[in-house]
Order: sequence, then C-alpha cells, then structure tokens
Amino acid sequence: VQLVQSGVEVRKPGASVKVSCKVSGYTFTSYGFSWVRQAPGQGLEWMGWISAYTGDTEYSEKFQGRVTLTTDTSTSTVYMELRSLRSDDTAVYYCARDLGWGLGFDHWGQGNLVTVSS
Amino acid sequence: IVLTQSPRTLSLSPGERAILSCRANQSISISHLAWYQQNPGQSPRLLIYGDSRRATGIPDRFSGSGSGTDFTLSISRLEPEDFAVYYCQHYGTSPRYTFGQGTKLEIK
Repeated sequence: VQLVQSGVEVRKPGASVKVSCKVSGYTFTSYGFSWVRQAPGQGLEWMGWISAYTGDTEYSEKFQGRVTLTTDTSTSTVYMELRSLRSDDTAVYYCARDLGWGLGFDHWGQGNLVTVSS
Repeated sequence: IVLTQSPRTLSLSPGERAILSCRANQSISISHLAWYQQNPGQSPRLLIYGDSRRATGIPDRFSGSGSGTDFTLSISRLEPEDFAVYYCQHYGTSPRYTFGQGTKLEIK
C-alpha cells in the first residue's frame, strides 16, 4: 500500500490550493480517506473524511465551507482543496487511509507542505 | 470530545517503562481510541487501535488500556527508536475524529 502526495505548494493569502494523494497497492474503493494537517511545531488536526466507495464526505466544523474532498476512481487519487487561504493555514497536509469504525489510519502519505505567504 | 494528553513531555532512559495518559472529557469506548507515533519529519504511524489491538508490525512492548475517560499507552522497555511524539485519537460523531495534543517522549 502506498499513498504518494503531490509536492510543496506556495500560495498567497486568499488563494486556493488543491493537493493530491495517489493510492496504490489495494482496491481503491475499499476504504475511505481522511486528511490531517500539522502546523509547524504543532499537533495533528483532522480536517475531513471521504468514502472512496460512495464519495460521501464529512468535514470538521472548523473547515466547513472552505475545504472540499474529492476522489477520482479512474486514477485512484484523492484530492483536498482548501480555499481562502490564510497565513495560519501554513502546514503539512497528510492524506491517510481510514479503516473506519475506530480502526485507525493505517497508511499515510508523506505529507504536502503548503506555505501561505504574501 | 476533547482529549487531553499528559504529560506533555516525558523524559526517560532506554530500558525504562513509559506510561502515557490520554483523558477524555466524557466517557468513550476504548474500541474507538487509537494511538499514533510520530518521529521528526515523518508521517504518523498507527500503533494501537480498536480494543487495544496492535497494528501490523508493532512490537509487543507497546500496549493500550483504559476505560471510561482514562486511557494509557504503555511501552514496557524503551528502545532508542521509541523516543518520539505520541498522539491519541478518538473516533466518534461531530466531529468524526479528535486528536490529543501529543506527548513528547524524550531521552533523559
């Protein structure tokens, strides 16, 4: 199982960013995905979840209205778009395979550093 | 659910036993609690999930326990590679997931 994320992104405040997470090594639609971010020197923050089977989503209240998770089953890729970026959105963004039902996130991407700066 | 981890930093020597705490602000099921390890510059790694089951490849010196609002990750004999940051995580509803703020396990 591998989750390979796209590279470093730099954006100005107010812009949007869309990061990708390409999955391989198992049937893509078997599990969902969560996105987690980590600001410099800080802890882990859950942003949202998407079912790769149905496309159903659930977002943290903190990001509701600003984040959109999507999947492309033809390429086994998960996407996270974050809009109206602020400087405090500067963080490493991780995708993770979500086993659901409290079974945890058993595989993680390597992370995308997103820097928001004018 | 709010998860509070303690201590924020734990200083121990290799070979010692580590006990990390994760306290919830209301009763939760241990089957919905997971623990992760994160080394500097790396992605988190799943250690414990469900009813305190070890994830694939996790050595048996790691164990999880607890009930109600108080949960513990124990590392029986610290190896050099165990010095890292540890997070607990709850699976629930609204929000679906919550992380504790982490405990840094450092070499004394």
